[in-house]
Formats: sequence, structure tokens, C-alpha cells
Amino acid sequence: NAGVTQTPKFQVLKTGQSMTLQCAQDMNHNSMYWYRQDPGMGLRLIYYSASEGTTDKGEVPNGYNVSRLNKREFSLRLESAAPSQTSVYFCASSWTGGEDQPQHFGDGTRLSIL
Amino acid sequence: DQQVKQNSPSLSVQEGRISILNCDYTNSMFDYFLWYKKYPAEGPTFLISISSIKDKNEDGRFTVFLNKSAKHLSLHIVPSQPGDSAVYFCAAVGSGAGSYQLTFGKGTKLSVIP
Repeated sequence: NAGVTQTPKFQVLKTGQSMTLQCAQDMNHNSMYWYRQDPGMGLRLIYYSASEGTTDKGEVPNGYNVSRLNKREFSLRLESAAPSQTSVYFCASSWTGGEDQPQHFGDGTRLSIL
Repeated sequence: DQQVKQNSPSLSVQEGRISILNCDYTNSMFDYFLWYKKYPAEGPTFLISISSIKDKNEDGRFTVFLNKSAKHLSLHIVPSQPGDSAVYFCAAVGSGAGSYQLTFGKGTKLSVIP
């Protein structure tokens, strides 16, 4: 029962480096999401994909790009990492974006940018 | 400005007693509310939800109460168990085009003392 799988689990980058965070779900969900969680804060939505082939900005999209590679996979890219992007990143998925469709989360990627 | 507020960063409760976690919101467009539970180094897991057309929803030991006029909801856990020790996030979503975006509170860390 894998659910939502995120890779890598940990990563340290230097300022200016680029990186792609990978996410895959095996629940045949249509919608996928990327969140970040900073210390003492709630999760904030970066980008989401309502269905395969579509992506939209969330609350904090600046500095990020996403790709919905297929129905299963949704990647998050940092083109030029900055210390302010040090955070824990969570990927999630749901059947649809309907308000009664709970999102299922992966275990996160802990990213530190020096 | 925070639209979903969890004003208690932490709560300690004796095993077997009731745990009450509170959440306030400011956005009148929110019409569906969810509680997520998070253990360290894991992603959030969905716990229970409530629609704005209801004032109570129950699932086993967990009950969520909604007071729309006060823009307040609470999660009751009875009886509390040591395995309930985790961070609890309140989240809200509005209907319509914005229904993909969950707005999270900062979380309340619950410690259940054996």
C-alpha cells in the first residue's frame, strides 16, 4: 500500500542549484498537489494539478515550476534554489478537487538550502 | 492574514480524558472543514471532516463540532489514548473554483500522558 511516494526524503542544496522533487501516487487519483511546510506553520499550497494535463498556481508559487508527467506523477522543480526555500515539501493526491475529497499525503521531502 | 487559526500551539491531556482542539476561521466563503493528524517525519493523514450544512460529525472516538455563527470548530477525542499524541491541523476549503485549495492552520501538538 504505497499511496503517495516522494523522492528524495532528504536533500541539501547550495544556493543557485536546481533540483526536481518527484512524486508518484498509485491510487488512480485525478488531482495532485504540492505543499510546503515551514517551522511552526501550516501547509501552504504551491501548485496543484486538477487533472492530467493541467496545472495551476496555489498560494506560494514563486520560484517553483511543476510538471504533471502523467496521471501518476507530479514533479516540483526549483530552478535556482534560495535559502528561503528551505522547507519540508509534501505531495498529495485526491480523486478530484471536490471539497469532500480528502487529500492523501506523502511523507515529505526535507530540503535545506545553504 | 491567517484565515484559519489554531491559537493553542500545544495541549496536554491525561489518558482516558477528553481532548478538545479548537480552530477559528475568518473567511465566510469556507464551507467545508477537515482535520488532519500528523506524526513526526510522516505526512498528514485525514481524520474527519464536516460540511457547513451540519453542526456535528462523529466517527468513533472523534467528533467535530461546527459553530458557523462564531466561525469556530472543535475536535473532540474521547477517550484520549497515547497513540493520539500528534500534531493536529485544521483545514478549510471553499466551494466552487477554489475548492482545490486547502487553507491550513498552524497546528496544535497534542500530548496524551499515560
